[in-house]
Order: sequence, then structure tokens, then C-alpha cells
Amino acid sequence: GESVGLHLPTLSVQEGDNSIINCAYSNSASDYFIWYKQESGKGPQFIIDIRSNMDKRQGQRVTVLLNKTVKHLSLQIAATQPGDSAVYFCAENMPGANSKLTFGKGITLSVRP
Amino acid sequence: GAVVSQHPSRVICKSGTSVKIECRSLDFQATTMFWYRQFPKQSLMLMATSNEGSKATYEQGVEKDKFLINHASLTLSTLTVTSAHPEDSSFYICSARDSRQGKLFFGSGTQLSVL
Repeated sequence: GESVGLHLPTLSVQEGDNSIINCAYSNSASDYFIWYKQESGKGPQFIIDIRSNMDKRQGQRVTVLLNKTVKHLSLQIAATQPGDSAVYFCAENMPGANSKLTFGKGITLSVRP
Repeated sequence: GAVVSQHPSRVICKSGTSVKIECRSLDFQATTMFWYRQFPKQSLMLMATSNEGSKATYEQGVEKDKFLINHASLTLSTLTVTSAHPEDSSFYICSARDSRQGKLFFGSGTQLSVL
């Protein structure tokens, strides 16, 4: 798979390859980060999250990496499947009583059979 | 897992009418719910934070009188788009924060089309 920034709208990968989706977040005070998957006409679906005191977290076929030094977040999907085709968003959470999520621009992942 | 029910999933209305969208947390209590708006091929933009029993907090640029939010119980928040116009056509998504876990769950969205 190839690594792309969220300023590129589409990432195309071959089925079975690994995908890497990158995100540059904006606020150094953000303490919690989430990756969401959104299919057409549906709400966001939680994939994986990571807190700011960690730099890596693994789930089933997915890994999130956090680099606070450069405010960079990435999502790695192993053995990409056609069902992974969707738009992916990173979101950052500012701490505090009025904490809220701010979403990144999103990238479309297209899996070629 | 926790479920957030959002209704209706799709609504078509005439310009000038008002539309109400409901967001319910089905198996948890949510003191805080959020309303987002999403245009085609764009990201989710937070419109307002809805707090149970108090006034909603609107993001900059969102008209309070246009988008009325009511969070009367721990499981229900409503968004009313008043006097809807074609430019209000969009995908509206709610999310609810589980008061115990702190996790956020999203509804399935409402596609509003104003003719």
C-alpha cells in the first residue's frame, strides 16, 4: 500500500495489500484520537482509538500510530479487503469539560479486486 | 454494543417548512450529544453540543434560531431545522456520549433535501 496525506482524496490499493492512511492533526493539546470509517449514506463507524500517552495501538487487522512530536496519526490496515472500501476520517479530542471531536478532511479508500 | 438511533433517515420537504430530527441513545444515558453536518465528499462539521437540561452550545457561524436543539431527557436530543431552504440540504449526523464510559457513538444520519 502507499502512504498518503489527507489532502489527497483517494487511496487505491490492491486487495490483499496493506493500506496506510495518514492524518495531520491540528492541536497539540488533543489527548485522544479516533479513526472512523464511513460508508456512503451512513454515520461514522468506530475503528480504533488511541490516547496521547501511547504511540501505538493494535486491533484486529488495524494499527494506529501516533507521533505527537509532529502531530501525526496513521491508520494501517493489513490485508485490505473489498469491504474496507469507504471514507476514513481521523478525529481529535480536546480535553476539558466541553470536550468535543474535530474531524479531519477524510480520504476515500478504494480496494481493487 | 451501544446503539444510537437517528430518525428519520431521509426527509424531503418544501422550502419554508420545518423539519425535526431525533437522536436517541437506546441502551445508555447520554448527558451530552453532538450534532454534525456533512456536505457531499466533505468531512463532518460540528454544529452544536447538546447538554441534557441546559441550552445547547453552538459552534461559530451556526444560527441558533435556525437550528433549534432540545435535549429534554438523558436519551433524546432533537434538532429542528426551521424554515428550511435548499441550502440547508445536507447529511445531518448525531452522536451521543455514554455518561458512564465516556465513549462516543454515532447515529446513522439523516439526509435532508429541501426543494
